[in-house]
Amino acid sequence: ETGVTQTPRHLVMGMTNKKSLKCEQHLGHNAMYWYKQSAKKPLELMFVYSLEERVENNSVPSRFSPECPNSSHLFLHLHTLQPEDSALYLCASSQEASGKVDTQYFGPGTRLTVL
Amino acid sequence: GNSVTQMEGPVTLSEEAFLTINCTYTATGYPSLFWYVQYPGEGLQLLLKATKADDKGSNKGFEATYRKETTSFHLEKGSVQVSDSAVYFCALSESWGYQKVTFGTGTKLQVIP
Repeated sequence: ETGVTQTPRHLVMGMTNKKSLKCEQHLGHNAMYWYKQSAKKPLELMFVYSLEERVENNSVPSRFSPECPNSSHLFLHLHTLQPEDSALYLCASSQEASGKVDTQYFGPGTRLTVL
Repeated sequence: GNSVTQMEGPVTLSEEAFLTINCTYTATGYPSLFWYVQYPGEGLQLLLKATKADDKGSNKGFEATYRKETTSFHLEKGSVQVSDSAVYFCALSESWGYQKVTFGTGTKLQVIP
């Protein structure tokens, strides 16, 4: 497989469930990102991992817990979510080098519905 | 902080019409500017980018010029096709050892035959 893949593509969960979203990048990149995309709102950056270290956490509630076990894989663990957390969750990756601007490559997203 | 403002959609055009989607930005430094496109059921894809003032990004017939004096990066295409129907996002990025990207809200384009 090439590019950035995400599983599952669709997820419906209750407020008391625990689930995980998975992202895998096949591009040899060293930075990975989680975004939340809600209708009529700009993409919200949630977490950034650079060289497997979390470098950004944008005031995301603790019911979202990221994990980056290696440079190719990124997880988002979900527990006790709220209905307002329903959204499209996008993963992205990029290759970072000092002072160089690079492009982010996005996966297709996981459409999450919280009942 | 940084921000990106783009015109609200949806924009509906007939095939072969001229397209302009306006985008203006506010930034503290010297960002790079991007247009991303999202087709139905897919993630975002880079359409074009410009990394410094007066640069023109172009791809698939789309163009945008980095205008520092007007803090704008408007997207244009001379003749749209039905296959261009998608949501278009303007974005800016500053490098902090990783990409800190600020996105606009997106503009939905619908092209009708």
